[in-house]
Amino acid sequence: QKEVEQNSGPLSVPEGAIASLNCTYSDRGSQSFFWYRQYSGKSPELIMFIYSNGDKEDGRFTAQLNKASQYVSLLIRDSQPSDSATYLCAVIKGANSKLTFGKGITLSVRP
Amino acid sequence: SAVISQKPSRDICQRGTSLTIQCQVDSQVTMMFWYRQQPGQSLTLIATANQGSEATYESGFVIDKFPISRPNLTFSTLTVSNMSPEDSSIYLCSVEGTGSYQETQYFGPGTRLLVL
Repeated sequence: QKEVEQNSGPLSVPEGAIASLNCTYSDRGSQSFFWYRQYSGKSPELIMFIYSNGDKEDGRFTAQLNKASQYVSLLIRDSQPSDSATYLCAVIKGANSKLTFGKGITLSVRP
Repeated sequence: SAVISQKPSRDICQRGTSLTIQCQVDSQVTMMFWYRQQPGQSLTLIATANQGSEATYESGFVIDKFPISRPNLTFSTLTVSNMSPEDSSIYLCSVEGTGSYQETQYFGPGTRLLVL
């Protein structure tokens, strides 16, 4: 089992819809969880991080963490064409531990 | 977040040669990281570079192939040695955040390398 898995894509949603991106991780000791957005030809950009179970909202983005089920998700409300990018889930197991990335999922928002 | 720059932004190199990539940060950071992103793939950590100590390499990466320098708290270099076409990739440096964001990492713009 891969350390960080993201469901296969690509994902296509119409403009204005909610995009749901999921990620599971294998190590129960994982403590910190991150979502990065990467536009084609660009470097990853941090969108959100979450440490505690539950939801964390920032504008149109909501990160959800469920440690018991070992998954973290990212919801994008009112999706815009500018949200079209690859979204990378990343996990840290503890302090000073490395950031492990999933393979990413490509989101396309149709106008 | 810190402002990170990398040089060169891209390069085309011949096999057997070496390329040194520079990463400059506008503030002092303890930890800097070097990643590789092969075409269509996710990011793989090459090594962690702390100022004043030897870099710590991940499994599958060795110092002879990817020597790293970290002369001060704002600068690091990664050298890709004796290159082959398989080294064609994007190389990214990142730095840790500060304060309550210390576990986060912020990435430089990347160096796109093509080895012929």
